[in-house]
Amino acid sequence: GAGVSQSPRYKVAKRGQDVALRCDPISGHVSLFWYQQALGQGPEFLTYFQNEAQLDKSGLPSDRFFAERPEGSVSTLKIQRTQQEDSAVYLCASSLGRVYRNTEAFFGQGTRLTVV
Amino acid sequence: GQQVMQIPQYQHVQEGEDFTTYCNSSTTLSNIQWYKQRPGGHPVFLIQLVKSGEVKKQKRLTFQFGEAKKNSSLHITATQTTDVGTYFCAGGRTGIYGNKLVFGAGTILRVKS
Repeated sequence: GAGVSQSPRYKVAKRGQDVALRCDPISGHVSLFWYQQALGQGPEFLTYFQNEAQLDKSGLPSDRFFAERPEGSVSTLKIQRTQQEDSAVYLCASSLGRVYRNTEAFFGQGTRLTVV
Repeated sequence: GQQVMQIPQYQHVQEGEDFTTYCNSSTTLSNIQWYKQRPGGHPVFLIQLVKSGEVKKQKRLTFQFGEAKKNSSLHITATQTTDVGTYFCAGGRTGIYGNKLVFGAGTILRVKS
């Protein structure tokens, strides 16, 4: 596609419910990032994939958060037993760069998750 | 938590005035990127700085990377209403497997016409 696509754009979940957020990166982009953006804050790093390999998951806030990219393209961020503090915009970004390359990140529109 | 500090948090200027936002890291960065996010939108890449002391210009925007590669600034000359948005710096930290971008909290710019 022309850009990074995320779905759904909005998600309302009841506390305790599991959610799955999808990211379609730009075709051919090797690197994929997930960020969490709270209202009025900058994006906070969650995890990073190079192709299908999850090379850094140091930003995942708890073991309720799980991300995968099984075929090196589409990625899913899953949050189990959602809690109110999980409410945020979840941004996915992809970049052409490989390891040790500094290239720009293209962001999707994000998924706004509200836990009630 | 955030390891890249950005100030000011918020600035409201009269159209035509200049604007500057500053970014500081506690550790040396491999590179720094700047992004702009319009209200309701997503971050859009503006520029990347890699070299110590580097200065880059994009029309009315001037970007600087400090000599120690720990700080950076974005200066906008003669702001326009189209400059409204949140400006984020993102510091690149080199790890074993590549770079992680650590974002500052952003500076919200409002322009009065």
